Amino acid sequence: GNSVTQMEGPVTLSEEAFLTINCTYTATGYPSLFWYVQYPGEGLQLLLKATKADDKGSNKGFEATYRKETTSFHLEKGSVQVSDSAVYFCAPGSTLGRLYFGRGTQLTVWP
Amino acid sequence: DTGVSQNPRHKITKRGQNVTFRCDPISEHNRLYWYRQTLGQGPEFLTYFQNEAQLEKSRLLSDRFSAERPKGSFSTLEIQRTEQGDSAMYLCASSRTGGEETEAFFGQGTRLTVV
Repeated sequence: GNSVTQMEGPVTLSEEAFLTINCTYTATGYPSLFWYVQYPGEGLQLLLKATKADDKGSNKGFEATYRKETTSFHLEKGSVQVSDSAVYFCAPGSTLGRLYFGRGTQLTVWP
Repeated sequence: DTGVSQNPRHKITKRGQNVTFRCDPISEHNRLYWYRQTLGQGPEFLTYFQNEAQLEKSRLLSDRFSAERPKGSFSTLEIQRTEQGDSAMYLCASSRTGGEETEAFFGQGTRLTVV
């Protein structure tokens, strides 16, 4: 089955710093790739997705590019805010829609 | 539609008791998933329905766990003879089939504590 390896956290940054959270995956075929975010006390929300190689998903200043050659889907943001503090999950999908989650990366942004 | 709804939000039960959780998916979604999330971990897949058919079950889903989706709408997850190791957040998600993989929408989860 599909699996994902995600950058270990926690990650602590100052406001306006650059963020990278690494994600690599193994998969059968070429699944869609997703980043989900879990804010404190809330449920999982889709942050962005990419459905095929070289696609770039983007939302709220976050970006991730589907790299088939390196089987990676790294999450980046140029300038983080305190409100970005959350747990981020990388997840390849499958043809049945099932998601394969990593352990998540805790991000804390200080003012 | 207000999204995926799960009830109850919290459940505390004594070891050995049975518990049942309910999930109401987004109305036009035909796919429904159950996941379990323990502290510091990502969600782990438990089972998947397409309409009323249960098409996949994880080996994590022991004989004490059963899930149903009788009319292809809401779903229930029952845990019999609960154990302390069952303490976790149980998440439900729904999506619709489409030409591309469509995103899954998650509920707020049911937090189970077995004492």
